[in-house]
Amino acid sequence: GAVVSQHPSRVICKSGTSVKIECRSLDFQATTMFWYRQFPKQSLMLMATSNEGSKATYEQGVEKDKFLINHASLTLSTLTVTSAHPEDSSFYICSARDSSGGRGEETQYFGPGTRLLVL
Amino acid sequence: DAKTTQPPSMDCAEGRAANLPCNHSTISGNEYVYWYRQIHSQGPQYIIHGLKNNETNEMASLIITEDRKSSTLILPHATLRDTAVYYCIVRVWSTPLVFGKGTRLSVIA
Repeated sequence: GAVVSQHPSRVICKSGTSVKIECRSLDFQATTMFWYRQFPKQSLMLMATSNEGSKATYEQGVEKDKFLINHASLTLSTLTVTSAHPEDSSFYICSARDSSGGRGEETQYFGPGTRLLVL
Repeated sequence: DAKTTQPPSMDCAEGRAANLPCNHSTISGNEYVYWYRQIHSQGPQYIIHGLKNNETNEMASLIITEDRKSSTLILPHATLRDTAVYYCIVRVWSTPLVFGKGTRLSVIA
């Protein structure tokens, strides 16, 4: 399957600082990328959908000013957690959609995740 | 509302086939069935998907009932490395994947 990378894999930061997470599709172009968050022992929660060159669409309850998403190219999307607080500590996972298979055959591939710990 | 129903957990002996059921009784005609799995502390891994025909790839087989109201993911020869949470997801083209609680599969030696 297609490969999606994330960087960093793990980050520890102080409360009030901002953290940027990068997501790259390595062997395909992704017009659309997604960001998920996962708390311990829970399932993945969709945070936002980003389309290359346009503003991200956020799910209800997700603060767009806190979680800044940029999708400036077909292979790169970034998530910036601004003014991070301990409650933002979580496992953040990006996903990229490979549309090369045609309508209905799109497959989302996921990165390995970034574990954020805010002290 | 959850679109799929899966048992919360299952056990399978190593080397045996693992059959993971999924109920999606309200599936509509343009919704595909996708299966992913998540091994502890990793991102989800794509396994297989289908619309109405049975599908097979190097990882698994997907059996979809004729009325499309349920499906079964089959791992033909489970290994310890197949221990994971398995998610059955139905989705319409161009919509994002929405995850439920999945089935925690434990492969036992």
